[in-house]
Amino acid sequence: DGGITQSPKYLFRKEGQNVTLSCEQNLNHDAMYWYRQDPGQGLRLIYYSQIVNDFQKGDIAEGYSVSREKKESFPLTVTSAQKNPTAFYLCASSRRPGHPKGDEKLFFGSGTQLSVL
Amino acid sequence: SQKIEQNSEALNIQEGKTATLTCNYTNYSPAYLQWYRQDPGRGPVFLLLIRENEKEKRKERLKVTFDTTLKQSLFHITASQPADSATYLCAPLSGNTPLVFGKGTRLSVIA
Repeated sequence: DGGITQSPKYLFRKEGQNVTLSCEQNLNHDAMYWYRQDPGQGLRLIYYSQIVNDFQKGDIAEGYSVSREKKESFPLTVTSAQKNPTAFYLCASSRRPGHPKGDEKLFFGSGTQLSVL
Repeated sequence: SQKIEQNSEALNIQEGKTATLTCNYTNYSPAYLQWYRQDPGRGPVFLLLIRENEKEKRKERLKVTFDTTLKQSLFHITASQPADSATYLCAPLSGNTPLVFGKGTRLSVIA
């Protein structure tokens, strides 16, 4: 089955620690995204990537880093600089924005809940 | 700046009634507008997309309208069921920028 796999489902971070959230897709999509969701809040964009080896900051990129070395993978690192990391993190993919059909819908993973110990 | 507002944080309706959710946007001229459903602890799932030149789109018990003059989209669920209880998110799409989501409306259908 095609889809997006996020792991782990739950993650705990100690103070001063960097943690990495995994996101893999087998949909052959060019674009991948990371969103953060806080309770009662909408999704806020952290980073996105439209092609391999390229990515752009979203609205709340501070304290986070990403890489896009392979089309299938877009891991997110939550660094110690992110002082309030507790949230639900969602990875998504779509056909590349600007596709002629222009109707890119997002396919989401099942999310990772990150908490601080 | 671009702003998306969904009418209310929570909406309670009785089973069998029609639920109507509102999405208003400002400082935007989206070519498309998408609606997603999110269940607790899960990622959103795409439901419907409507284009700016379409007034209405239907899929089974779902209906979406898109009024570019009012800068508003309405999302209707007819003959609502308890299984329709979830949070519904709207997302206008403009150009080649990433989707921006509203905060969502949490719908509860009471049996």
